[in-house]
Amino acid sequence: DVKVTQSSRYLVKRTGEKVFLECVQDMDHENMFWYRQDPGLGLRLIYFSYDVKMKEKGDIPEGYSVSREKKERFSLILESASTNQTSMYLCASRGRGAADTQYFGPGTRLTVL
Amino acid sequence: AQTVTQSQPEMSVQEAETVTLSCTYDTSESNYYLFWYKQPPSRQMILVIRQEAYKQQNATENRFSVNFQKAAKSFSLKISDSQLGDTAMYFCAFMKHGEDDMRFGAGTRLTVKP
Repeated sequence: DVKVTQSSRYLVKRTGEKVFLECVQDMDHENMFWYRQDPGLGLRLIYFSYDVKMKEKGDIPEGYSVSREKKERFSLILESASTNQTSMYLCASRGRGAADTQYFGPGTRLTVL
Repeated sequence: AQTVTQSQPEMSVQEAETVTLSCTYDTSESNYYLFWYKQPPSRQMILVIRQEAYKQQNATENRFSVNFQKAAKSFSLKISDSQLGDTAMYFCAFMKHGEDDMRFGAGTRLTVKP
């Protein structure tokens, strides 16, 4: 049974705090993704990684950074959280084949006060 | 950049009836993939169905089928014999062949009523 897990389902942080969101997959997938989900906007890609230590900016990378030191783990970092980063964050992973299915984690609902 | 449009923010259907969710996309590419994902309340997003643009035949997965109109850039999802468990957000997504990232629409919230 394939699995993508995220470190927290719910997180509350204060403005200015540094926030780490962790994602782990057990499918040996090369590609991993971080999305932000907001009502009426769907899923917007923040960053993705196609290999260890490799990363590519998505549509909305400002205010975020990522780290991929191991193949199974992809971290999203908010260097200084702001209230407009309150959102649902979804992690996903997918193999290298174009026809491979993309699997999602359960999401982390982050509230920045 | 490719865009994906879902024009129906919310829909409802009676149990056992059929419902169609709309999706249009904009691209100049000829080789790409289209997807419908389902996100049940408080549960993980899962793939419902996938269509490869070079295939003429519409994809089908049990009660779920698509109407893929390549010239019109339309990719609708039909759910037959709707069940209460079909209540979810449905997202249409596009991925260009040879690329890694997927583009999503804004989603349609479907409620199946008993």
